[in-house]
Order: sequence, then C-alpha cells, then structure tokens
Amino acid sequence: QTVVTQEPSLTVSPGGTVTLTCASSTGAVTSGYYPNWFQQKPGQAPRALIYSTSNKHSWTPARFSGSLLGGKAALTLSGVQPGDEAEYYCLLYYGGAWVFGGGTKLTVL
Amino acid sequence: QITLKESGPTLVKPTQTLTLTCTFSGFSLSTSGVGVGWIRQPPGKALEWLALIYWDDDKRYSPSLKNRLTITEDTSKNQVVLTMTNLDPVDTATYYCAHHYCTTTTCSYDSWGQGTLVTVSS
Repeated sequence: QTVVTQEPSLTVSPGGTVTLTCASSTGAVTSGYYPNWFQQKPGQAPRALIYSTSNKHSWTPARFSGSLLGGKAALTLSGVQPGDEAEYYCLLYYGGAWVFGGGTKLTVL
Repeated sequence: QITLKESGPTLVKPTQTLTLTCTFSGFSLSTSGVGVGWIRQPPGKALEWLALIYWDDDKRYSPSLKNRLTITEDTSKNQVVLTMTNLDPVDTATYYCAHHYCTTTTCSYDSWGQGTLVTVSS
C-alpha cells in the first residue's frame, strides 16, 4: 500500500513564506511522479494549483510555486495572504494509479 | 471553457451498487492525452483517487478498490460513468470527477466538478 505523506498542519504569518512537502513511501519523489498540488477551502471542490512539479495553471497566483526538495515534492507560498488559508493536497503518479497525500491544513495567523 | 458535473443518487443502501455519471463540456474524450478521473472525499477526510479513463479507452483503478470499480465512457453523450459495487457506509463521501490531460512531459487534473455527496445508509 503506497502512502503519500504531507505535514498535517502548518501555520504561517500573513506576508510570510511557507513550504509544504509531499513524500512517498516508495522513496524519493522525482519528476516522473508528476506531482500535482490542489487547494481546497471548506465546502468547495479542490482547485488545481501546480502540475508536474512546477507548472502553474493560468489561474495560479504567482506567489505559489512548486519544486522538488530533498526527495520530496514541495509547494512554496510566498507573501502569504489570509485567503490562502485552506487545505492543500498533493497527488503523485505511480505508473498507472494516482495517490493523494493526506493533506496539509494551512493556517494564516 | 471546461465544465464537469457529477450526478447520481444521494442515498444508497449497503450492499447496493452505486452508479455515478460525469457529464462534461469544453473538451472531447477522443482527443489524445485527455482523460476523466474520479476522486472521492469522505466527510472531514482527505481526497482519495479512484479511477481514470483515457481517450484511448485505457482504464486505471485504485489498487485498493479495483475489484469494486468500473469506469466507462459514452463519447457521444460526453459522459463518463463510474460504478461501485457492494457499497458500505465507509463509502459515504463527496464524489468528484475531473478533467485529466497529459502531454509527453506533463500531467494534470485541471478542472473539477462541484462534487456530489453520496450517503450509504440503510
């Protein structure tokens, strides 16, 4: 059973920078896992932010960026705004099937 | 503009079979690289990837659920159907469908439906 692990929760101050990570139980995450990142606010459907490690959708704010960091996929938010408070999920590809991480609840305080 | 909308029963009894339909517009499931995926989310819990059907009718399933899932397409109706057998209360969740697109170097789930809540209860 493949497990994708994210920080359960993180807190950041407005205007600050925070990095969320996404680890795989199978080993280092590489670009071949096509890491995707999603933002979900209460009562809403997930919204796609990043695909294939670092690619932004046309609607993705510039303050969001994706990368590979220390064997994990990473999502960095710079200049965090109160509206960024949400649950963030990563999604990894395992040669046919995809697996979501457990999500990171980001609090802006 | 890509849109997707899930439809199906809101209440299902244990052991019954669930059939959900994703009706989409703004893209064709006949286009190379395109797919439609299903994802669910139990109340208060994380997202769970379920299944994916590609433009060439290739189908992929979550290993933990593959014996209970079937994904099919009706290209003429712009619909993708997911069936799940032998429902249990733990299958209570909001079910989403999403547009999936891959190039030679990238893959994304970019557009999502609003989701439909399915409750499994007797």
